[in-house]
Amino acid sequence: EPEVTQTPSHQVTQMGQEVILHCVPISNHLYFYWYRQILGQKVEFLVSFYNNEISEKSEIFDDQFSVERPDGSNFTLKIRSTKLEDSAMYFCASSEVYRNEDGYTFGSGTRLTVV
Amino acid sequence: AQKVTQAQTEISVVEKEDVTLDCVYETRDTTYYLFWYKQPPSGELVFLIRRNSFDEQNEISGRYSWNFQKSTSSFNFTITASQVVDSAVYFCAPPPGSARQLTFGSGTQLTVLP
Repeated sequence: EPEVTQTPSHQVTQMGQEVILHCVPISNHLYFYWYRQILGQKVEFLVSFYNNEISEKSEIFDDQFSVERPDGSNFTLKIRSTKLEDSAMYFCASSEVYRNEDGYTFGSGTRLTVV
Repeated sequence: AQKVTQAQTEISVVEKEDVTLDCVYETRDTTYYLFWYKQPPSGELVFLIRRNSFDEQNEISGRYSWNFQKSTSSFNFTITASQVVDSAVYFCAPPPGSARQLTFGSGTQLTVLP
């Protein structure tokens, strides 16, 4: 079964450093998403991406965050200057087309620890 | 706006007991889908089921069953004869919003004790 692949599984970074989280969505999917989950809390929407541009972003997704699809397969989330509160599990997801009935396929997540 | 409420934050049961996880949702849409996801201790999000609003028949998949009732705005999930491996956080999610955002409920932590 097709999978969304996220790397690395765990990233430790120092506060103030830039970090890039990597995702390879399912190949025929057109919509891509990032979500995050602070330990013990809800899964929160960050951003959706379609046709090489951001479709929508949440309040969390401020100027420190950016997304990019640098080639035909990767979808990255960059945090420019990490803060302690950015420590969370980050999930990438993708979906095939704009249909309300689709659930998403999530990757297994990247656990980001900012020290 | 789409919203779900999972009033049970934590449930503990003993193996082989049945357990029902509650989910109440709010939406203005007349047709929609709802989802359940499982998050085991390893952390990944696993899609369990999608149900549509025009089909209120219960769905059963092995030990899992779902009861969807529009009249009470509930979409409950039952695990029959629970097993230790069922221990996880279970999230109910309403249909995606305008930008296909999934907004997860707060989740129910299920612990199945041996």
